[in-house]
Amino acid sequence: GENVEQHPSTLSVQEGDSAVIKCTYSDSASNYFPWYKQELGKGPQLIIDIRSNVGEKKDQRIAVTLNKTAKHFSLHITETQPEDSAVYFCAATSPAGFQKLVFGTGTRLLVSP
Amino acid sequence: DGGITQSPKYLFRKEGQNVTLSCEQNLNHDAMYWYRQDPGQGLRLIYYSQIVNDFQKGDIAEGYSVSREKKESFPLTVTSAQKNPTAFYLCASSNRQGNTEAFFGQGTRLTVV
Repeated sequence: GENVEQHPSTLSVQEGDSAVIKCTYSDSASNYFPWYKQELGKGPQLIIDIRSNVGEKKDQRIAVTLNKTAKHFSLHITETQPEDSAVYFCAATSPAGFQKLVFGTGTRLLVSP
Repeated sequence: DGGITQSPKYLFRKEGQNVTLSCEQNLNHDAMYWYRQDPGQGLRLIYYSQIVNDFQKGDIAEGYSVSREKKESFPLTVTSAQKNPTAFYLCASSNRQGNTEAFFGQGTRLTVV
């Protein structure tokens, strides 16, 4: 089955810097890659997603890139703000059968003022 | 407002007791999921259901049980057979067609005392 690895586990940046979180996946058939943000004590919320027919997607300060050949995808946050501090999860899902998201282990992002 | 509701937010259980976590959604989603979250381990799938009256085991189903008698509801029972039940439990739902966003509830923190 699918396996997703996520790095780094923690990331500390200064306000205004960029942050990059990387994930790799094992199933070459996976075709949907969402990113979730989880604030303390709350459930994860989708912040951006990408499908395998697209190499890059942007939404204001957030972007995701996908390299299907290398089987990795990355989350880029520019001009970070303290409210970006949270745990970020990547996930992947295979089109085979039922959609079953497999999550990475999460990255705790801390943005210092 | 459309959404997914978990209750209670905090739950305490004595060893040897079964306990049921509630999950209700009004998004008209066919698919529902239960995840367990432990520090440093991301989200692990316990059970999922694609449609009413049908559900499948996830990666860590031992010691848990579910039912799906109504489209809106997917309760999770943590039984006394679960060796280490203390964790944060997350319920999610999504459309069944294609790979689409999963919406999460706010979670239930279960503590065994």
